[in-house]
Amino acid sequence: DAKTTQPTSMDCAEGRAANLPCNHSTISGNEYVYWYRQIHSQGPQYIIHGLKNNETNEMASLIITEDRKSSTLILPHATLRDTAVYYCIVRVEGTGGFKTIFGAGTRLFVKA
Amino acid sequence: DAGITQSPRHKVTETGTPVTLRCHQTENHRYMYWYRQDPGHGLRLIHYSYGVKDTDKGEVSDGYSVSRSKTEDFLLTLESATSSQTSVYFCAISRGGGNSYEQYFGPGTRLTVT
Repeated sequence: DAKTTQPTSMDCAEGRAANLPCNHSTISGNEYVYWYRQIHSQGPQYIIHGLKNNETNEMASLIITEDRKSSTLILPHATLRDTAVYYCIVRVEGTGGFKTIFGAGTRLFVKA
Repeated sequence: DAGITQSPRHKVTETGTPVTLRCHQTENHRYMYWYRQDPGHGLRLIHYSYGVKDTDKGEVSDGYSVSRSKTEDFLLTLESATSSQTSVYFCAISRGGGNSYEQYFGPGTRLTVT
C-alpha cells in the first residue's frame, strides 16, 4: 500500500501562505494524491487532488514533485477558519475498487 | 454537499445490544464508505461498498458488518456493541471517474456504548 508521511502539526500567521508538505515515496504511477481537511468535529472536506501536474482551485494549490515522491498543499492566504487537520492521501486499490486510507494528518494552527 | 445523510446523529446504547447506523445518498454514487474516528487515531476505514451487494473490508472491520441492498443506502451494523466501539462514525461517497475519485463525507454519527 502506498503510504503518506506528514508533520504532526504546523503554525501559520493569518494572511500568510500555509505550505503543508507530504511524502509519498512509494506511490505508483497511476495513483493520485488527494488532500482533505477536517475542521473540529465535522466530516472531512475534499480540497484538491492531482496526478503529476500542479493543480489549483478556489481553495488551494497542489505542487507535486517531478518524481512524485512528495507534494505540498498551499493555502495562499490562510485565515483563522483554515485551522484544521489536513490529510494527504494516496488511494489504495481494493477488491472491487479504490479504498482510501487516512493517516493522522497535519494539525494546522492559523494564528492572528 | 453531496446529498449524504446519516441516521441517527447521536445514539447511546448498552454493551451487548445490536446497533445499525444508516447512510443515505441521493446522487446514485457507486462507492460508499464507513469510517470511524477516535482521538489519537484519525479516520479509519471499516468497510466500503463498490456496488449493490458488493462490499469489502477496511482496516478495522472486526465486530462490524455492512449491507447494501440498494444504491442509496449503506448500513453499518454492530451485532453486539462493545465499549471499544464508542466512536464517531462517518459515511462517505466517492464522486469522479476513471482513476480519479474524490470523497464527500456525511455529518457523522456519535455512538456511545455504556
